[in-house]
Amino acid sequence: NAGVTQTPKFRVLKTGQSMTLLCAQDMNHEYMYWYRQDPGMGLRLIHYSVGEGTTAKGEVPDGYNVSRLKKQNFLLGLESAAPSQTSVYFCASRRLTEINYGYTFGSGTRLTVV
Amino acid sequence: GQQLNQSPQSMFIQEGEDVSMNCTSSSIFNTWLWYKQDPGEGPVLLIALYKAGELTSNGRLTAQFGITRKDSFLNISASIPSDVGIYFCAGQLESTSYGKLTFGQGTILTVHP
Repeated sequence: NAGVTQTPKFRVLKTGQSMTLLCAQDMNHEYMYWYRQDPGMGLRLIHYSVGEGTTAKGEVPDGYNVSRLKKQNFLLGLESAAPSQTSVYFCASRRLTEINYGYTFGSGTRLTVV
Repeated sequence: GQQLNQSPQSMFIQEGEDVSMNCTSSSIFNTWLWYKQDPGEGPVLLIALYKAGELTSNGRLTAQFGITRKDSFLNISASIPSDVGIYFCAGQLESTSYGKLTFGQGTILTVHP
């Protein structure tokens, strides 16, 4: 009964390095989302996916890429990290027929780019 | 992009006091949600609202969907130390598909024993 699991929980990158954040859900949810959380700005949508093999841009997609090769996994990639990408990243998922629109969130990945 | 204006940004209260926070938007939402985030964790859904004027309670929490569909408020009665955290409003626009939510900036709540 893990829900949404994000790895890693913490990471420090140097400017220009690349990395991939992994989100895994075991609830067979169709929709998955990546948000970033910055102080005073709430959560902003980076990319989302409505099913295996499909992805779409959110509000702040620049500098990020995503892939959803398997229904249970949603990967967020940073090809060339910048200090502006220092943030806490949250993955969320939701069932297609979920009535209350409530997401299930992971516990977050805190990324620092130096 | 679309933004929700959430206020206040932070609150410092004494245990036992009531709390009120609200969100406003320039656009019409068809769903309003309130989440709470504990330190080091992801947000957890508290209350969901689906109809204009709807008033819903969850224990000591009460939330309302504004008549104009452009605002919502959350009240917490008789606060306790475990109410500490960040509270977010979130809304789904009528024109938004795939369950995408727009979040407010958050209200940081501190409760002094």
